[in-house]
Amino acid sequence: GAGVSQSPRYKVAKRGQDVALRCDPISGHVSLFWYQQALGQGPEFLTYFQNEAQLDKSGLPSDRFFAERPEGSVSTLKIQRTQQEDSAVYLCASSLERAITDEQYFGPGTRLTVT
Amino acid sequence: AQSVSQHNHHVILSEAASLELGCNYSYGGTVNLFWYVQYPGQHLQLLLKYFSGDPLVKGIKGFEAEFIKSKFSFNLRKPSVQWSDTAEYFCAVGSNYQLIWGAGTKLIIKP
Repeated sequence: GAGVSQSPRYKVAKRGQDVALRCDPISGHVSLFWYQQALGQGPEFLTYFQNEAQLDKSGLPSDRFFAERPEGSVSTLKIQRTQQEDSAVYLCASSLERAITDEQYFGPGTRLTVT
Repeated sequence: AQSVSQHNHHVILSEAASLELGCNYSYGGTVNLFWYVQYPGQHLQLLLKYFSGDPLVKGIKGFEAEFIKSKFSFNLRKPSVQWSDTAEYFCAVGSNYQLIWGAGTKLIIKP
């Protein structure tokens, strides 16, 4: 069946540009997560949605980062005025239920390079 | 602050060797522990998880992990590795809605 998909797979942005990254979770999955993975590091939590509600955004590194999931399915992570330190792979994951013990299914990620 | 430490960033083994990848965490509450794996060119996927019960957990592809509370450890093991186990392995601890991840261990199996 269809897994989690993300688009674009690669994005090159000039410093100062705005970018929007899209995540299509597995249909029917309640929970959706965004992570940032810098080169050579593990993923770092950015934000969590339960259906359309953003329950935790404590990992967003600055107010330039904004995420939404208006209808409880597709989610968009927007980064305004990109900076070089934003260069990373952005991962999206979804899980069927609400519990932290549920398996998270990951997408392929979007590799963002800010020049 | 919660953290996860993976001791080895790179491990190289020959086929049929035994594997143990270290993972230590610092977290004071109820722990939910995970190992995820990323094969070359593929997405992250769950290998195994522990949240209660038997501290020895068995996962896919012959992997297992043991939760030792007194040592704050959740090491991953496999008695005999195969070339197809070449991948990056991540340990993570679940806290509320967040997964806190280690930096990962790149495992290379020489045929």
